[in-house]
Amino acid sequence: ETGVTQSPTHLIKTRGQQVTLRCSSQSGHNTVSWYQQALGQGPQFIFQYYREEENGRGNFPPRFSGLQFPNYSSELNVNALELDDSALYLCASTFHRDRYGYTFGSGTRLTVV
Amino acid sequence: DQQVKQNSPSLSVQEGRISILNCDYTNSMFDYFLWYKKYPAEGPTFLISISSIKDKNEDGRFTVFLNKSAKHLSLHIVPSQPGDSAVYFCAAAADSSYKLIFGSGTRLLVRP
Repeated sequence: ETGVTQSPTHLIKTRGQQVTLRCSSQSGHNTVSWYQQALGQGPQFIFQYYREEENGRGNFPPRFSGLQFPNYSSELNVNALELDDSALYLCASTFHRDRYGYTFGSGTRLTVV
Repeated sequence: DQQVKQNSPSLSVQEGRISILNCDYTNSMFDYFLWYKKYPAEGPTFLISISSIKDKNEDGRFTVFLNKSAKHLSLHIVPSQPGDSAVYFCAAAADSSYKLIFGSGTRLLVRP
C-alpha cells in the first residue's frame, strides 16, 4: 500500500507566474484535500475534491484552483503568484466515509521570489 | 481569527518524564479533535483523536483529554522518548464539515 506522494518536492517561482503541484492519493482513497502551511503556522485548508468535483473550499482566492482525476490523483494550480504564497503545500487523501482518516503527503515547498 | 490555539510554541522534557501539550479552541461546533505529529521533511501523521462525546482516549503511551466546558484539550505522552521529538499539531473539525482546523503547533524536544 503506497502512501500519498507529491511532486515536486521543492519549487522556486517568480511573482506573477503560475504553478501546478501534483498529488497521487493513497491506494483506496477517493477524496483529496489540499492545505497550505506557512512558516511557523499550522496547515490551512484550501479545498477538497471528491468524485472529481470541489466539495468544499477554505478562505483562499479563486486564483487557487484544483483538479481531481478519475484515478483520484489531484493537482493544485495557483495563478498570479504572490510572495505570500510561499509555503509548504500539503495534499491529504482519505476514503470519503472515513471523514477524518487523512493520510498526508510530505508536501511541496514553494518559494516565490 | 484563530479557532484552534496552541499557545506554547515549544516544550522540552527529560526522557522518561511526562509531556503535556495543550490546545484551546473557540468554536463550540467542533465535535472531533485530532493530534498529528510532524517530523521535518515529512507530512503530518495521525496520532490520536477524540470525539466530543468522550473526555478521554488512550492509545499506548498517548492519552488525549477533552474538557468541553473549558474548550481545552491536552495530549499526554508517558513516558516520553527521544523519538517523540517532533512538532505536534492539534486539529479540530465539525460534523458538518470535512475540513480540519489546525493549531500552529508545539515543538517537543525530549532530552536523553
